[in-house]
Amino acid sequence: DVKVTQSSRYLVKRTGEKVFLECVQDMDHENMFWYRQDPGLGLRLIYFSYDVKMKEKGDIPEGYSVSREKKERFSLILESASTNQTSMYLCASSPPRSPETQYFGPGTRLLVL
Amino acid sequence: GESVGLHLPTLSVQEGDNSIINCAYSNSASDYFIWYKQESGKGPQFIIDIRSNMDKRQGQRVTVLLNKTVKHLSLQIAATQPGDSAVYFCAENKGNTGNQFYFGTGTSLTVIP
Repeated sequence: DVKVTQSSRYLVKRTGEKVFLECVQDMDHENMFWYRQDPGLGLRLIYFSYDVKMKEKGDIPEGYSVSREKKERFSLILESASTNQTSMYLCASSPPRSPETQYFGPGTRLLVL
Repeated sequence: GESVGLHLPTLSVQEGDNSIINCAYSNSASDYFIWYKQESGKGPQFIIDIRSNMDKRQGQRVTVLLNKTVKHLSLQIAATQPGDSAVYFCAENKGNTGNQFYFGTGTSLTVIP
């Protein structure tokens, strides 16, 4: 089975802190994605990556950056956390032969105070 | 029971009844659609997909119907069980690179034993 894991299930941070959210997949997928999920808004794509050291902006990249140093790991970085970044963050990966099928991690619920 | 996306975000059905969850999509260029199930505290889980060259696709106890004329997608769950209680949302690809999707906000299904 495909497994996508996220480093934390719950995080509480203060405004201005630098926050790292880690995502690891164990199925050698090229494609990896970071979303945030907010009530009434659905999932919104923040950044995605098609390969190591490659990144592309999604629909709402402002206030975020990403890092993909290894194929299995895709990190989301909040350089200076703000209260409007309180959300559920979901990582996903997709296989090369079926790139449209995304497998999601369990999510990290981030609260910024 | 039947729900229509944002207008009726919750749906309650009796165990054993059939459930119908609807989704209206916006992008006429979308050619691939996915239904996801998200249980409380978990990431979205792929249920079933359909391409735009099909009107209907069946899985185990689930059927997806696609009406391209009115840009409407539905998920039918037969003999609904308590384990089906979750939020269900649809996703449509953006019709460009194939890896980016628009996600619906979801319908919360509650199965009454």
